Amino acid sequence: TQLLEQSPQFLSIQEGENLTVYCNSSSVFSSLQWYRQEPGEGPVLLVTVVTGGEVKKLKRLTFQFGDARKDSSLHITAAQPGDTGLYLCAGLSPSGNQFYFGTGTSLTVIP
Amino acid sequence: NAGVMQNPRHLVRRRGQEARLRCSPMKGHSHVYWYRQLPEEGLKFMVYLQKENIIDESGMPKERFSAEFPKEGPSILRIQQVVRGDSAAYFCASSLGQGQKTQYFGPGTRLLVL
Repeated sequence: TQLLEQSPQFLSIQEGENLTVYCNSSSVFSSLQWYRQEPGEGPVLLVTVVTGGEVKKLKRLTFQFGDARKDSSLHITAAQPGDTGLYLCAGLSPSGNQFYFGTGTSLTVIP
Repeated sequence: NAGVMQNPRHLVRRRGQEARLRCSPMKGHSHVYWYRQLPEEGLKFMVYLQKENIIDESGMPKERFSAEFPKEGPSILRIQQVVRGDSAAYFCASSLGQGQKTQYFGPGTRLLVL
C-alpha cells in the first residue's frame, strides 16, 4: 500500500510552459517535504511545509500544503531544462521517525 | 559546510559476500536514517539511529541487515551474505533531531550484486 500517490508519474513539457505536480494521501501528515532527485544522485530538499493551507514560494516553484494536511502540490512557472528531474514528496510518519515517500514524478523539460 | 557524505559511491559484490556502507551526517546532526531505493521503486525507510542507539528499525529486513552509529565515526549499514535482490541504491539522511525532522540526503551508495 502506497501512502502517498503522486501524479502524473511522467511529464514531458516544452521550455516555458507551466506545470503542476500533485501529492495525495488519505493520511494526515504533520510535516511534508518536497525533493528533487537527479540520476545517480541523492534527493535534494526543496521545501518543508508544516501548516495546513501553507503556501511557500521558491523562485519559480510554488508549494502548497492542503488545508487538511493530506495533500500537497508543486507548481512550476516557465519551466526550464534545468528543472528536469524526479520530484518526490515525503510525509512525516506519526512516530516522527521516518518519512513516507511518494511514487515520484519524472519531469523532462525540452529546450 | 559539508553535506551528508556516503562512501563508497559504488560497490560491487558477489553473492555471499558482505557489503559495508558508510555515512557521515552533516556537521552538528546526530540523527541518521537509512533508506533503500530499488529500481523503478520509491525510497523505502530502513532504520533510524542516534549516536549509539537504534531508535526505529521497523524497515530493516529481519536477517542479514544491521546498522550502527557509534559514538565516534560514521554510521555503518552492513549487509551480510548479499543476494542479487539486495542490488539497489542505499541513501543515508541526517537531521538535527529533537523536533527538527527535516532530513538531508547523501549522494547514495549504489550496490550491485553479481
